Order: sequence, then structure tokens, then C-alpha cells
Amino acid sequence: DTGVSQDPRHKITKRGQNVTFRCDPISEHNRLYWYRQTLGQGPEFLTYFQNEAQLEKSRLLSDRFSAERPKGSFSTLEIQRTEQGDSAMYLCASSRLSSGKETQYFGPGTRLLVL
Amino acid sequence: GEDVEQSLFLSVREGDSSVINCTYTDSSSTYLYWYKQEPGAGLQLLTYIFSNMDMKQDQRLTVLLNKKDKHLSLRIADTQTGDSAIYFCAEWMDSSYKLIFGSGTRLLVRP
Repeated sequence: DTGVSQDPRHKITKRGQNVTFRCDPISEHNRLYWYRQTLGQGPEFLTYFQNEAQLEKSRLLSDRFSAERPKGSFSTLEIQRTEQGDSAMYLCASSRLSSGKETQYFGPGTRLLVL
Repeated sequence: GEDVEQSLFLSVREGDSSVINCTYTDSSSTYLYWYKQEPGAGLQLLTYIFSNMDMKQDQRLTVLLNKKDKHLSLRIADTQTGDSAIYFCAEWMDSSYKLIFGSGTRLLVRP
């Protein structure tokens, strides 16, 4: 069990550019979540997958954001035409429902800075 | 509604106990969690409590749940400088399959 990994750990981009982040969940976990965390706040839910199906998207996820999990393993989060307000830490978490309990394990995050 | 609230800051002396408080709004939450976040890092799961329990102890950590008042607390015994971090309380929303986080309590442990 190597834990949840995210790549890259840091990304600096210019406004208007597209960026893509990757998340590799814990191998036996079938649920994968994306969160956004801004300074001084807790993580805010963006979207989640059960296997390859994207089951819910937050209102925070504008049409510039798209997430995929094509084979039910790793996931990507793409932000098109980035804006300065997109600067944040993007966290991925994975979980496996067991005995009715959902425990999410988080990756180290990708910190995005949009100039 | 979905809202989890925490006090922003707590300062304690090394060796003392720390108590971090949290209130939540959804009475149907089945699980409540405490996570720890160190600077520049992701969230580390510390402990959780099922809603039909009122206390859970795990080494130096004690979680107390008052379901009537929707109040959750995390007590850290013999607080160490390595415990300095931001602590997040989160409630699990069965209805929508997501965690709702508070804004975090920054714990500073003074030597």
C-alpha cells in the first residue's frame, strides 16, 4: 500500500493556459474524490467517481473543469483557460466502502498558482 | 444545510492537553472524522467516530461526540511540538456521498 499519489506536486501557469493533474488512488479503492482547498479553508468537494463513473459534481466545478477516470484506476483533473481564482491546492482522496464505513485517504495535493 | 464550524486557533504549552471543538449541522451524519494537515501537505486521517458512540479513545487522542448538541471534540493528551498543525473536523453526508469539512483549527504548541 503506497498511499494516494498526485502529480505534479506544484504547478505554476499563466492565466489562460490549460493544466492537467493526475491522481493515483490506493489500489483496491473504488471511490476517488477531488477537492479544492484555498488558504485558510477546509477542502471543498469538487467531484467523485465510483470505479469509472463520475457520480456527482459540485456547483464549484465550472465548465472549464473536467475530470476523468477512464479505467477506474487513476484519475485526471483538467482546468481549461485557467484564471487567477483557480489558484489553490487540489487534493485527491480515495476510499473503499467497508462495513458501511467510508474512510477517505488523501494524497499530498497539487498546488496550483495561476499568474 | 451543510455547515461545519471550528474555532480558528488554539495555543497550548507542551505537555498540556489540547481540546479542539467542532459543531456540525446534519443530524443524519453517520461518521465524523478528524484530519491533521501539516504545512504544504495533504490531510492525514487521525481518527473517526460512529454517530451511535459518544466517546472513542485512540492512544493520546480522545474523541467526544454530543449528538444532541451536534458537538464533536478532539482531545490530545500530552501535546507535543510535533502536534502543531491544522486540525479539520469533517462530517460524512450519507445522502450525497461526500465529506464536509470545517475551516480548520490551527494548533500551536509552545515549548
